[in-house]
Amino acid sequence: QSVLTQPPSASGTPGQRVTISCSGSSSNIESHTINWYQQLPGTAPKLLLYTNNQRPSGVPDRFSGSKSGTSASLAINGLQSEDGADYYCAAWDDSLTGWVFGGGTKLTVL
Amino acid sequence: EVQLVEAGGGLVQPGRSLRLSCAASGFTFGDHVMHWVRQAPGKGLEWVSAISWNSNNIGYADSVKGRFSISRDNAENSLYLQMNSLRPEDTALYYCAKDMVAIDIGGGAIDFWGQGTLVIVSS
Repeated sequence: QSVLTQPPSASGTPGQRVTISCSGSSSNIESHTINWYQQLPGTAPKLLLYTNNQRPSGVPDRFSGSKSGTSASLAINGLQSEDGADYYCAAWDDSLTGWVFGGGTKLTVL
Repeated sequence: EVQLVEAGGGLVQPGRSLRLSCAASGFTFGDHVMHWVRQAPGKGLEWVSAISWNSNNIGYADSVKGRFSISRDNAENSLYLQMNSLRPEDTALYYCAKDMVAIDIGGGAIDFWGQGTLVIVSS
């Protein structure tokens, strides 16, 4: 069981807005910034958002992030077929003195 | 172009040891925290270990503490993971990963991943 809790699956149709939640605690999300990763099938993860809502160069502005208290969320606007992937949240945890990941959310574009 | 190339994976019996390596190029290796992250077959990501630019700040997941040891050679642009007393639950694809920051192993973000090397622990 992961320290950060994500829904195992999410889905949407092209053009829709989809959100993926990530729930943690005072020792991780509440105290530290959160990062989001996208993992396309059969490939290595890719950084999608860092410091809660910052996009690395090359990541479309359709992807956005927010954080409040012990929870965070990733939003994808204008869903596209190529967005079908696994999404992971990650944060530093003070109690574990290590990085923790969410269990991952498999996004299906219908 | 940033490149991280892992090597050293393979099939190993429980209780034995294995040493993974990661060759880095395309960036100033000595300016970044480096990580090992693993992914068991069909499962999610699990952080394993991280090391600061000068090796003064090191961290391990509880699941590997006391068994695994991370190290780096900035002159050789290389990262290592010495894995001892391997268990079947250590079976995973091990990714070498680069952080955005240099000093604080918990203060940045992994911004680039290698393709991974597969470790299978089985008798």
